[in-house]
Amino acid sequence: GAVVSQHPSWVICKSGTSVKIECRSLDFQATTMFWYRQFPKQSLMLMATSNEGSKATYEQGVEKDKFLINHASLTLSTLTVTSAHPEDSSFYICSARDRRSRGGGVNEQFFGPGTRLTVL
Amino acid sequence: LAKTTQPISMDSYEGQEVNITCSHNNIATNDYITWYQQFPSQGPRFIIQGYKTKVTNEVASLFIPADRKSSTLSLPRVSLSDTAVYYCLQGDDKIIFGKGTRLHILP
Repeated sequence: GAVVSQHPSWVICKSGTSVKIECRSLDFQATTMFWYRQFPKQSLMLMATSNEGSKATYEQGVEKDKFLINHASLTLSTLTVTSAHPEDSSFYICSARDRRSRGGGVNEQFFGPGTRLTVL
Repeated sequence: LAKTTQPISMDSYEGQEVNITCSHNNIATNDYITWYQQFPSQGPRFIIQGYKTKVTNEVASLFIPADRKSSTLSLPRVSLSDTAVYYCLQGDDKIIFGKGTRLHILP
């Protein structure tokens, strides 16, 4: 159980286009999902926290108009990279928290397999 | 900023036991300690979690001293497939990743 999927697994796009990445919790409901970005040989950087039915909370330095996050249901969050440029090329990873979590631990967060974005 | 500190890299040999220590000096009362493993181009995978003393599962053991200011992940009899980056995390809300430890297993 506790599977998180991402779609697509990789995408190549032209500079100036927008790209949407989906994150789904397959066998549990997630009130909270998190979006990370990871550059080669670096750690994961938290971009934003996505809460079902409300606006996402962005980390400092992350442009909310550039990275649009929508968490419309308890099993789906989307990240849209708008007007993508080569510097947005990265590995984007989401994680989801089981709504049954009662806190007191972070193992209720399950990570997706990641999406490789390449902007030409 | 990441709350934890761990060695940047480690090398070991197949069949050896590997211990990776993490420092978390500012750990809060409600924080759990969690370790994740990440292979290249994959999402992190949960390894083990604990609050205090010792926790063991089919993959690893986690040792946490009484003051909880550090923790040690122990991987018994590693193989080449254990080559990965290992992250030590503390907290019970959003996860802030540190730099992790790049473990390289040699034949």
